[in-house]
Order: sequence, then structure tokens, then C-alpha cells
Amino acid sequence: GENVEQHPSTLSVQEGDSAVIKCTYSDSASNYFPWYKQELGKGPQLIIDIRSNVGEKKDQRIAVTLNKTAKHFSLHITETQPEDSAVYFCAATIQYNFNKFYFGSGTKLNVKP
Amino acid sequence: DGGITQSPKYLFRKEGQNVTLSCEQNLNHDAMYWYRQDPGQGLRLIYYSQIVNDFQKGDIAEGYSVSREKKESFPLTVTSAQKNPTAFYLCASSPGAVSNQPQHFGDGTRLSIL
Repeated sequence: GENVEQHPSTLSVQEGDSAVIKCTYSDSASNYFPWYKQELGKGPQLIIDIRSNVGEKKDQRIAVTLNKTAKHFSLHITETQPEDSAVYFCAATIQYNFNKFYFGSGTKLNVKP
Repeated sequence: DGGITQSPKYLFRKEGQNVTLSCEQNLNHDAMYWYRQDPGQGLRLIYYSQIVNDFQKGDIAEGYSVSREKKESFPLTVTSAQKNPTAFYLCASSPGAVSNQPQHFGDGTRLSIL
């Protein structure tokens, strides 16, 4: 089955700096890659997603890139703010596998004011 | 507002006791899921349901049971057979039959052993 690895497990940046979180996946049939943000005591919230027919997607300060050949995708947060501090999860779904998601182990991002 | 409601937010279980976690959605989604989250770990799939009256085991189904009698409800029972039930439990839903749609999550139930 699919295996998603996420790095780093923790990331500390200064406010205003950029943060990058990377994920790799094993099954080339995966074709949808969402990113979730989880604040303490809350459920994960979708922040951005990308499909395999696209190489990059941006939404204000957040962007995701996908390299299908290398089977990795990354989350980029620019101009980080203290409210960006949370745990971020990547995920992948295998095509026609009924929306079964495979999640990375999470990255705890700490933005220092 | 449409969303997923999990209750209770906190739950305590005594040894040998079964407890049931509630999950209700008003998004008209066909598919629903239960995940377990342990500290510092990712989400592990317990059970999922594609449609009413049908459900499948996920990766860690032992010691858990579910039912799907209504489209909007997918309760999870943590049985006494689950020897290490302390965790954060998340319920999710998605449109279902159409693949590649995001899952939407509730705010979780934290289960602890007394």
C-alpha cells in the first residue's frame, strides 16, 4: 500500500521567515495531495491541496509543489506569523481507492515572535 | 453551518467498560471515517463507511466497532478488548463515491482511562 513520509517532525522559524515541509509518497498511482493544519485540541483543517496534473498551487502565503517523477510534494509558507504555529499533515490518496487517505506523521511548526 | 460534530469532547473509561463516541455530519456526505491520533503521531484509520449500512475495517480495527444506520451518523464504540484506548479520536467525512475530494474533520474526542 501507500506510504507517506513527512519531514521534519519539528520546525522552528522566526516570524517573517519562510517554512518548508516535505513529504514523499511511494505509490505512483496517488494523484491527490491535501495539506491539513491542526491546532491544539482541534481537528485538522484543509489549507491547500494539489492534484497530479498540476505542478504548483498558491493561495496567498501558502503554496504547494508536486514532483511526480520524484514522488514528493512540499508545503511552503512565506512571511510566517505566530498564528501559523500548529501541526501540519500531508496526505495522499491512491486513484480509485475510494478516497482512502494516507497521512504523514505531522510537522510541528513553531513561529517565534 | 455545515460541519461535523463529535461528542463528547472528553470521555473517561473504566476498566472493562465499553464507551461510544458520537459523530454527526450535516454535509450530506456519503463517506465517513474514524481515525486514532496518538501524541506525536499521524492519523491511523480505524474504520470507514462508504454508504449507509456498510463499513470496512481500517488499519487498526481490533477492539473497536462501528455502525452506520443513518447517513449523517457514524458512532464508534471502544470495547473492553481495546487494551490501550487512551488517544484522541477524530471523525471525518467526504463526498464519497467521487474520488479525490478532501476529507473534513470534526474537533475530536479525547478518551482517557480512569
